[in-house]
Amino acid sequence: KAGVTQTPRYLIKTRGQQVTLSCSPISGHRSVSWYQQTPGQGLQFLFEYFSETQRNKGNFPGRFSGRQFSNSRSEMNVSTLELGDSALYLCASSLEGSRGEKLFFGSGTQLSVL
Amino acid sequence: KQEVTQIPAALSVPEGENLVLNCSFTDSAIYNLQWFRQDPGKGLTSLLLIQSSQREQTSGRLNASLDKSSGRSTLYIAASQPGDSATYLCAVTGMIKAAGNKLTFGGGTRVLVKP
Repeated sequence: KAGVTQTPRYLIKTRGQQVTLSCSPISGHRSVSWYQQTPGQGLQFLFEYFSETQRNKGNFPGRFSGRQFSNSRSEMNVSTLELGDSALYLCASSLEGSRGEKLFFGSGTQLSVL
Repeated sequence: KQEVTQIPAALSVPEGENLVLNCSFTDSAIYNLQWFRQDPGKGLTSLLLIQSSQREQTSGRLNASLDKSSGRSTLYIAASQPGDSATYLCAVTGMIKAAGNKLTFGGGTRVLVKP
């Protein structure tokens, strides 16, 4: 059974650009969550999608957005990139996104903003 | 607002020594607590999950305890090996059902096991 797949693995962008990251969950999983990991702030919850609907959202500006497709694949978009957006972006999938369900994480997309 | 703290931030031990990693949280109203391992530049691998009603969980050389009333969890790794070198993170799930499986993470403890 394939794990959670994130593409691309690495990205380099410049300030002001926008970026789209992709996440394919484990087959059969309908919930996808996104987390940002930085040396200063650690791991922080961005948002969670279930059945193409955003169900939960963390405390991030509106420049961070996402969506989920009917096959449960998810994308997140960051517009007007800032230096502080440099981070490892991790997505995680679970069956239903219910409280207490085990999360399976992808290897992440390392974004560098120059 | 839940805050999760892991002290120390880094730890170095000789091979064979037992590892003791600490995690504390400010709000005892948790649904469960998980321990993860993260290798450099990689994703997270779930090690142990403890439900709020449990006191401990064991898997092989790993044992995690939970004291909800004091807001603490400890991960014990017996007879450490160089392959145990990684960052270990703890995370809690809150009791609010609407929050789903959103995790609040600690900052992690970076472990180095020297041969």
